[in-house]
Amino acid sequence: NAGVTQTPKFRVLKTGQSMTLLCAQDMNHEYMYWYRQDPGMGLRLIHYSVGEGTTAKGEVPDGYNVSRLKKQNFLLGLESAAPSQTSVYFCASSYPPHEQYFGPGTRLTVT
Amino acid sequence: EDQVTQSPEALRLQEGESSSLNCSYTVSGLRGLFWYRQDPGKGPEFLFTLYSAGEEKEKERLKATLTKKESFLHITAPKPEDSATYLCAVHPPEEAAGNKLTFGGGTRVLVKP
Repeated sequence: NAGVTQTPKFRVLKTGQSMTLLCAQDMNHEYMYWYRQDPGMGLRLIHYSVGEGTTAKGEVPDGYNVSRLKKQNFLLGLESAAPSQTSVYFCASSYPPHEQYFGPGTRLTVT
Repeated sequence: EDQVTQSPEALRLQEGESSSLNCSYTVSGLRGLFWYRQDPGKGPEFLFTLYSAGEEKEKERLKATLTKKESFLHITAPKPEDSATYLCAVHPPEEAAGNKLTFGGGTRVLVKP
């Protein structure tokens, strides 16, 4: 099993550009999450999904959109990137109420 | 607002020097407390789940314990490969619908040979 995988691993964007981060899991987990991790701020939840076709806002959702068209995939979109979105993004999945399993992360720089 | 506080922020140990990391929380009706290990440039790796006060879990040189207000991660006779950031997270009851976790800021552990 690959667990949770994320694509791409690194990306540099210019302000105003758009991109989509892909998360895939092969553990048949119902719940999936997108976090960002910044120095001194810890892990903060952006959006999450409790099942195929459903999404909900987390702690810091502004500037991001998500979609969960298939159970195994969770996409995070940035429509118009801003320097404040420079961060490391982690995807996670879980079978509630148990622990979450994290992907390797995507390092995004917005210039 | 629910709070999860980890201390110390950083810990430098000599190889073989045992120590403990603390995770204190203000959540009432805790549904679970989780410990993760994170290496630089990688995602958090799940270590333990604790559900009730008095519970203990062990894995190699790591032992996690839970009381009603805090959890400890004990590192016994650490080796350099135990160097990492250790994260604590709680699963409060009001987050049950989304299984959402509240994370602490982490403790950076450096074990020198």
